[in-house]
Amino acid sequence: SAVISQKPSRDICQRGTSLTIQCQVDSQVTMMFWYRQQPGQSLTLIATANQGSEATYESGFVIDKFPISRPNLTFSTLTVSNMSPEDSSIYLCSALSSGANVLTFGAGSRLTVL
Amino acid sequence: AQSVTQLDSQVPVFEEAPVELRCNYSSSVSVYLFWYVQYPNQGLQLLLKYLSGSTLVKGINGFEAEFNKSQTSFHLRKPSVHISDTAEYFCAVSETNAGKSTFGDGTTLTVKP
Repeated sequence: SAVISQKPSRDICQRGTSLTIQCQVDSQVTMMFWYRQQPGQSLTLIATANQGSEATYESGFVIDKFPISRPNLTFSTLTVSNMSPEDSSIYLCSALSSGANVLTFGAGSRLTVL
Repeated sequence: AQSVTQLDSQVPVFEEAPVELRCNYSSSVSVYLFWYVQYPNQGLQLLLKYLSGSTLVKGINGFEAEFNKSQTSFHLRKPSVHISDTAEYFCAVSETNAGKSTFGDGTTLTVKP
């Protein structure tokens, strides 16, 4: 299965700033996704990152807050904009490989907003 | 719409004892079912999956799960746990592809010596 690298692995950010998380996959994958895991909670799908076009957002998530790019089949970024303490979470990149209905996750990016 | 309920938020067991982590799902169509494990400060790792075929699926680290369509359950079992199995376990369901999965709230498995 694909190997996913995320950076930064963790960061402490100030309220009102924005942070971009990068996700690199070691092989071409059909689909990429961004999940959020709030402290002590389960995973919630933010959006599907579409190559070369706008991401598809789930209910409760909007592009202005979480802009996503996917310029090619192996790379995606998630920006958390105008952060508030409520955005403190682990953000996980995941990918679905061609022909395999198996989701692979990165190690996550732990953001703390002060 | 799909949903998942993990019936136990915390499961403490002694080493070498058997364990069952319970998961029930709700969906109006056929589903794919997954169990993931998350060790501290790490991402999620797939333990096992049910896509079709045999209802008893075996995964890594000696875990297995049984898909029961009539009871809409997908319970995870291991006959003898190790200290290293201490982790958070997530059940997930998808009506389409694994990427658009709905996750349960997780079960914390703590294995004591």
